[in-house]
Amino acid sequence: EAGVAQSPRYKIIEKRQSVAFWCNPISGHATLYWYQQILGQGPKLLIQFQNNGVVDDSQLPKDRFSAERLKGVDSTLKIQPAKLEDSAVYLCASSLGLADTVAQYFGPGTRLLVL
Amino acid sequence: AQKVTQAQTEISVVEKEDVTLDCVYETRDTTYYLFWYKQPPSGELVFLIRRNSFDEQNEISGRYSWNFQKSTSSFNFTITASQVVDSAVYFCALRKAGANSKLTFGKGITLSVRP
Repeated sequence: EAGVAQSPRYKIIEKRQSVAFWCNPISGHATLYWYQQILGQGPKLLIQFQNNGVVDDSQLPKDRFSAERLKGVDSTLKIQPAKLEDSAVYLCASSLGLADTVAQYFGPGTRLLVL
Repeated sequence: AQKVTQAQTEISVVEKEDVTLDCVYETRDTTYYLFWYKQPPSGELVFLIRRNSFDEQNEISGRYSWNFQKSTSSFNFTITASQVVDSAVYFCALRKAGANSKLTFGKGITLSVRP
């Protein structure tokens, strides 16, 4: 079974530029998550989708971050404009559903460096 | 509010030594789930175990074992006869019961196993 796919794996941009990340979840997984992991910390949830609907985006900085999952499968996360403090690893995860018992499966992440 | 504390930040051992990674959590919920994830240098978080708050039985899986002590709010992870491939960052996480609940991660413990 293929895992969660993410691209690109690395990205370097200058502040105020825009960047987009792509995620393809495990086939059949209805729930998709985007996390931000700053160096030396655990992942922090940014947004959670159930199919193509947003379940929780309470920790998403909506003035600069946006995410979509138009067809309920792939998802993109965009930052516009980027700030220095956005340098982090952006992890995508998926799970079969919203139930608290299901495990989340993570992709390899996109490492973003904002200069 | 939920909180996960991993007081150890870095641990270094020699191959074949046993090592215990500590995790202490805080929650007001009576039903919740605890997780351990491994993050190797490749960056992907690998799910290791889920334990619900009603099941205090210890679990063993090969060289891995987990000790859940509700009385001390701890969920410690022991690797027996460590190997170089165990070198990674290990995260403990907590999720309260109920759909849409978030995973709250600790800051992680960097384990280095030297040959």
